[in-house]
Amino acid sequence: DAKTTQPTSMDCAEGRAANLPCNHSTISGNEYVYWYRQIHSQGPQYIIHGLKNNETNEMASLIITEDRKSSTLILPHATLRDTAVYYCIASPSSGSARQLTFGSGTQLTVLP
Amino acid sequence: EAQVTQNPRYLITVTGKKLTVTCSQNMNHEYMSWYRQDPGLGLRQIYYSMNVEVTDKGDVPEGYKVSRKEKRNFPLILESPSPNQTSLYFCASSRQGAGGELFFGEGSRLTVL
Repeated sequence: DAKTTQPTSMDCAEGRAANLPCNHSTISGNEYVYWYRQIHSQGPQYIIHGLKNNETNEMASLIITEDRKSSTLILPHATLRDTAVYYCIASPSSGSARQLTFGSGTQLTVLP
Repeated sequence: EAQVTQNPRYLITVTGKKLTVTCSQNMNHEYMSWYRQDPGLGLRQIYYSMNVEVTDKGDVPEGYKVSRKEKRNFPLILESPSPNQTSLYFCASSRQGAGGELFFGEGSRLTVL
């Protein structure tokens, strides 16, 4: 799996957009970009994933650069409940999830 | 409600006393997996199962056993727990072909004295 690099921590003001970057310069053609978050010590929660097109769901938007070497997760209106560790993972989508490797992630703190 | 249920959520035990952490999912998922999470080491996969009666080792399988006799259940067995197995454990599941879209349980915090 391609290695991903994320900032260790970020702050965001409540109500503003939170933009979380991820670098995956060695991503291969069949690898998707997945985003998860983990609130305190709860189980990680799937957020979104994409291959090369931008994706949006009820939780977030995912912007992937044209060269696929980096991506940004956008939480459009961050709330205090979005404070969590966010993980960016590159993994093939075919088959199963056995190849997911969770790194250190980004600690996002939403400030009142 | 779709969920992955783990029990117990918290457990303090002593070295060598066999224990089982249960995991059950109600989504008819083929794939199930166990992770442990330790400070500074992130989430590491212990075992996974692609379907009933099909299991395989993850990155840190030593000291653990699993079984998959039914599709919904995937228990984690510690035959002789040791203090280095003190950790936060997560069970996860996904449907076949869903790639990396995992559903996680709430976690089981285990302390081995």
